[in-house]
Amino acid sequence: AQSVTQPDIHITVSEGASLELRCNYSYGATPYLFWYVQSPGQGLQLLLKYFSGDTLVQGIKGFEAEFKRSQSSFNLRKPSVHWSDAAEYFCAVDQAGTALIFGKGTTLSVSS
Amino acid sequence: GAGVSQSPSNKVTEKGKDVELRCDPISGHTALYWYRQSLGQGLEFLIYFQGNSAPDKSGLPSDRFSAERTGGSVSTLTIQRTQQEDSAVYLCASSTTSGSLNEQFFGPGTRLTVL
Repeated sequence: AQSVTQPDIHITVSEGASLELRCNYSYGATPYLFWYVQSPGQGLQLLLKYFSGDTLVQGIKGFEAEFKRSQSSFNLRKPSVHWSDAAEYFCAVDQAGTALIFGKGTTLSVSS
Repeated sequence: GAGVSQSPSNKVTEKGKDVELRCDPISGHTALYWYRQSLGQGLEFLIYFQGNSAPDKSGLPSDRFSAERTGGSVSTLTIQRTQQEDSAVYLCASSTTSGSLNEQFFGPGTRLTVL
């Protein structure tokens, strides 16, 4: 069965520092992968998605993610974090073209 | 245009009561999804509707949970005989059609508290 693991429950990063959020997946075929962000009291917003092709995908708000098949990973990165990036981040994998399977999320705090 | 809306935003109920949660998808979206977000469990898929096809109910945790979608638009998630473990945020999402190539747009959720 497909699964998604986000090893870090909570990460704190200084404003202006770089960020990497880890995501590992378990999936038998070529996965469709997603990163969503959830700000306090808000719904989920799609940051970026990977279907095929280039392994480095660009998203909104300056985020990018790299698909590494050999490591079954899809880590999210941002070169310089802003205080407004504080939120909960979810990695997800497609479930056979229907619903999404989500990781348990990583809460990002940004310190000044 | 309007996004996915859900009502109520908050619902407090007593154990054993039935509750109904409503989702209005984005106009024209044929696919609709329900997820549950609870502490320690993350986001779990509950049920999925695509057009007039039979819904995929594989994520429903028990037969106390059911959902319907009337006229291919509005959906109602019903939880009968609520239990404390049903306390969670229930999220609805819609997309233009099924399949991962189509982004799922999420509503703000309904926070359910069962006392």
